[in-house]
Parts: sequence; C-alpha cells; structure tokens
Amino acid sequence: DIQMTQSPSSLSASVGDRVTITCRASQSISSYLNWYQQKPGKAPKLLIYAASSLQSGVPSRFSGSGSGTDFTLTISSLQPEDFATYYCQQSYSTPPREFTFGPGTKVDIK
Amino acid sequence: EVQLVESGGGLVQPGGSLRLSCAASGFTFSSYWMHWVRQAPGKGLVWVSRINSDGSSTSYADSVKGRFTISRDNAKNTLYLQMNSLRAEDTAVYYCARVGDTAMALYDAFDIWGQGTMVTVSS
Repeated sequence: DIQMTQSPSSLSASVGDRVTITCRASQSISSYLNWYQQKPGKAPKLLIYAASSLQSGVPSRFSGSGSGTDFTLTISSLQPEDFATYYCQQSYSTPPREFTFGPGTKVDIK
Repeated sequence: EVQLVESGGGLVQPGGSLRLSCAASGFTFSSYWMHWVRQAPGKGLVWVSRINSDGSSTSYADSVKGRFTISRDNAKNTLYLQMNSLRAEDTAVYYCARVGDTAMALYDAFDIWGQGTMVTVSS
C-alpha cells in the first residue's frame, strides 16, 4: 500500500505570507496527486489535480508542483479565506485501486 | 446546479446495518465514476469505496471490504453505500464524491462533494 505523509502537520501564518505544504508518497506515484482544501464543518474542495493543474475557479495564488514521491502545494499570498486544512491524495495505486489521503495540514492565523 | 445530497445516516448499534444514499442532480450521473469518503470526528479524510459509471466495477478500502457494498441506480441518479456489521470505528461523516471528467478522470480527482451524512455506531 502507498502511504502519504504531509509536513508540517500545522502551521501559523499571516495574511500575505507565502505558504508551502509538502506531501510525500512512500513510492513513486508519477503525477497522480491531488490537493483539497477543507474548512470546518464543510466538504472538501478540489484545488489541484494531476500534481499541478489548477481546478477551474480556484484562485491563481494556489499552485502545485512535483512528481514521483515529492509534491508541494504553494499559496503565494495567503488570504483570510485560505485558513483551512489541506489534504493531498494519491490515485496511482494499481488494482486493487485505493486512493490514499495524506493526514492533512492545518493552516491557521498567526 | 450540480449537486450531491447524502442521506441515511444516524445512530446504529455495533453489528447493525445502515444504507446511505447520495442523490445527484444537475449533471448526467450515469457518465461519472463515484466514490465514498469518510471522516471520523476530528480526524482526516479516508477513502472508502469506488464504483465505475455503469456499476460493473467496484473497489473498497481494506477496512470495509466484505462489510460495505457500493452500488448505484443510474435511472434514479442515486449512489448507495450498504454498510453491514458496523463497528465503533466506522463512526464518521460519510461523503459521496464525483470524479471529474476529461483530465480529472485520468487522475481520479473528486470535483464535486456532497455535504456529508453522519453515521454513529454506538450502544
């Protein structure tokens, strides 16, 4: 099974800060990596798919990069509405397919 | 409006059963693969199960294999999750999610999510 880790598990940042979240897979997953944002009491929202493709309607301050085992989500200038928990998710597993999420990174206000 | 609405959650005793439903609207349900994802209180997201567009192929997380069954009724635009032999550790909010089309489909990206339905397994 492919295991996903994220770092940091939480961070405190200020509006306007550049924020980078790292996701690592236990084996190569090519670009089969998606990023989601979740706010308390709400369903997750797709931000980035295929490691670096921005979902329609998502602000351009969000970007993703990486391939293989190491990936990053970057918020170029943190906005008040960006305080949330961010999850990576791999979708590479060969059959039987499993779609593992990372443990999440909580971004809160400094 | 593209929408997924879950229902069927509630309180059930250990060993009991529950069937969740996910009603789809605003899109051609029969064209999309669908998933269930759960989230225990205060915890992260955990993938549960997946079904292809015509219902002929399914997969499950090891933690639910043999106890949960995913299915769909494309005529009713509804996704289901039959949960049997429920355990305390199945307590969670259950979300249904749609796999996006074109490029998103290649990467199983979940572009539409329901609001979730809470399942509590307790005596």
